[in-house]
Amino acid sequence: AQKITQTQPGMFVQEKEAVTLDCTYDTSDQSYGLFWYKQPSSGEMIFLIYQGSYDEQNATEGRYSLNFQKARKSANLVISASQLGDSAMYFCAMRIYTGANSKLTFGKGITLSVRP
Amino acid sequence: EPEVTQTPSHQVTQMGQEVILRCVPISNHLYFYWYRQILGQKVEFLVSFYNNEISEKSEIFDDQFSVERPDGSNFTLKIRSTKLEDSAMYFCASSDMILAGASTNTGELFFGEGSRLTVL
Repeated sequence: AQKITQTQPGMFVQEKEAVTLDCTYDTSDQSYGLFWYKQPSSGEMIFLIYQGSYDEQNATEGRYSLNFQKARKSANLVISASQLGDSAMYFCAMRIYTGANSKLTFGKGITLSVRP
Repeated sequence: EPEVTQTPSHQVTQMGQEVILRCVPISNHLYFYWYRQILGQKVEFLVSFYNNEISEKSEIFDDQFSVERPDGSNFTLKIRSTKLEDSAMYFCASSDMILAGASTNTGELFFGEGSRLTVL
């Protein structure tokens, strides 16, 4: 069974600085995807970035990048130039591609607060 | 941009009452999911649904829960006799076919904005 671990307590970052949110995962499958979602206080789940297990390059989406270290089974999210609107809960998630209908498994999330 | 829509956004009910949460997935998606998030906690998988049947369900998804796709567009979650501990945000999600290794198809789950259920 797959497992996602997010152990950081609430994170704080100064506006315009970069921050790294940690995520480790555990699976014996070779084909999987790693996702980060943002959940602001309004509650919706916003997809941020995706990394496939076979992707050799780290994924980037605007200010978001994913530091993927396959041997260490880590998929840390890096947010550059933090903005006040980045204050939210961030969830790391994994999907195993053993079948087309496999579920997304979430970590417990990390709260990020951006200080002005 | 197509989106998953959920109704109601918030429902308050008395313990023991039946609740139906509704979802309209993205129209060309084939795989549907319900997740639950108790306030401030992790997002928990409830059930996945494909080809008009349940593909997988979690331990949370007991006999009090059921899902249905009554027509070509709606996907519903029914809780037959609500308990206090059912109070949570319920998210519907959908995805299209995953092509493992395909760089253009991540198998991303698209989430609705959630239905907040409060059981009194």
